[in-house]
Amino acid sequence: KQEVTQIPAALSVPEGENLVLNCSFTDSAIYNLQWFRQDPGKGLTSLLLIQSSQREQTSGRLNASLDKSSGRSTLYIAASQPGDSATYLCAVRPGGSQGNLIFGKGTKLSVKP
Amino acid sequence: DAGITQSPRHKVTETGTPVTLRCHQTENHRYMYWYRQDPGHGLRLIHYSYGVKDTDKGEVSDGYSVSRSKTEDFLLTLESATSSQTSVYFCAISEFHEQYFGPGTRLTVT
Repeated sequence: KQEVTQIPAALSVPEGENLVLNCSFTDSAIYNLQWFRQDPGKGLTSLLLIQSSQREQTSGRLNASLDKSSGRSTLYIAASQPGDSATYLCAVRPGGSQGNLIFGKGTKLSVKP
Repeated sequence: DAGITQSPRHKVTETGTPVTLRCHQTENHRYMYWYRQDPGHGLRLIHYSYGVKDTDKGEVSDGYSVSRSKTEDFLLTLESATSSQTSVYFCAISEFHEQYFGPGTRLTVT
């Protein structure tokens, strides 16, 4: 059974710092991996999608990498800002599935001014 | 933002009553999903649909049923609500690869 783990569960950094969020998954047979952001009391906002054949994706200050063979993905946030404070969720789509995602429990990020 | 709405956004109901949550999309995406989010468990799939009248169970489907009579609407029904179904429910849609989420429905069963 696919399991997704995110470490750390919470992270507090000063503004301007570069940071890395980690995601690991137990079964390398995935179709893709998606990173989301969730603000308190809100829905999920898709940040980046990496297909299984890709190594990384970039959007603005965000860069996500994927190492399928080792079951790992990282989300790199450059020059963090207080507005980046949120919970970041990693989710994998298992190979052969109908698109349903398996989620990690998230990393709660706090960026202090 | 993907055109996904959920109704109601908040609901309080009593144990044993039936409850229906609605997800509506304007994107004409084929796939629709219902997840629940609970502290300590994260998001878990309840049911999903891969077309009109085509649905299947997810990880935590017991006590829930779904229906999809139109491409744009996906209904989640709690047949007889229990306190363990107190949760935040999210609808999601996708066409090919990326999945988009609605704003959620906070359901409290007393």
